[in-house]
Amino acid sequence: GAGVSQSPSNKVTEKGKDVELRCDPISGHTALYWYRQSLGQGLEFLIYFQGNSAPDKSGLPSDRFSAERTGGSVSTLTIQRTQQEDSAVYLCASSLMGGGPQDTQYFGPGTRLTVL
Amino acid sequence: LAKTTQPISMDSYEGQEVNITCSHNNIATNDYITWYQQFPSQGPRFIIQGYKTKVTNEVASLFIPADRKSSTLSLPRVSLSDTAVYYCLVNRYGNKLVFGAGTILRVKS
Repeated sequence: GAGVSQSPSNKVTEKGKDVELRCDPISGHTALYWYRQSLGQGLEFLIYFQGNSAPDKSGLPSDRFSAERTGGSVSTLTIQRTQQEDSAVYLCASSLMGGGPQDTQYFGPGTRLTVL
Repeated sequence: LAKTTQPISMDSYEGQEVNITCSHNNIATNDYITWYQQFPSQGPRFIIQGYKTKVTNEVASLFIPADRKSSTLSLPRVSLSDTAVYYCLVNRYGNKLVFGAGTILRVKS
């Protein structure tokens, strides 16, 4: 079946603008995750959804970042008033159950965000 | 969360077996060990996961000693297309993967 998809693949915006990044998880996966990867860096966890609820938002770097998930499927990560330090690749992952050490996360191709 | 340590980079040649060792000294009883591969401009791709002893799939083998304080990812007969970053992770809660810097594997012809 189809893997995790993300859109857009690339986004260039001006400082101060808002952006929305979309993630379509694998069908039937109840858990969804957002990470970001800055140039040459490892992945940084942002937020975890179980169904439509977000039990762990601990990785969101500031209140300019928010995310929602609807219908237990699509998720949107919103960054308000973007700053240059927000430039990164934003990766979405999904897993079947979520919350267990055996649960495998499958990643999408990412959205490359560039803030000018 | 369990911290992992792995080599920054490794070089190999096509056709060779590559072993990447990761140390995770403070691994807990219920933790699983997971390895991901990442190519430039792509998301990480799951390779293999294990709890103890040996796990093998069509891509790789994972060796975990009895004390579980380390693990070794073994890639048989690598090709140029195996050039990538390889991440070792210790899965504790499953809801938050903690990625380290990874190992850059360069396969040469």
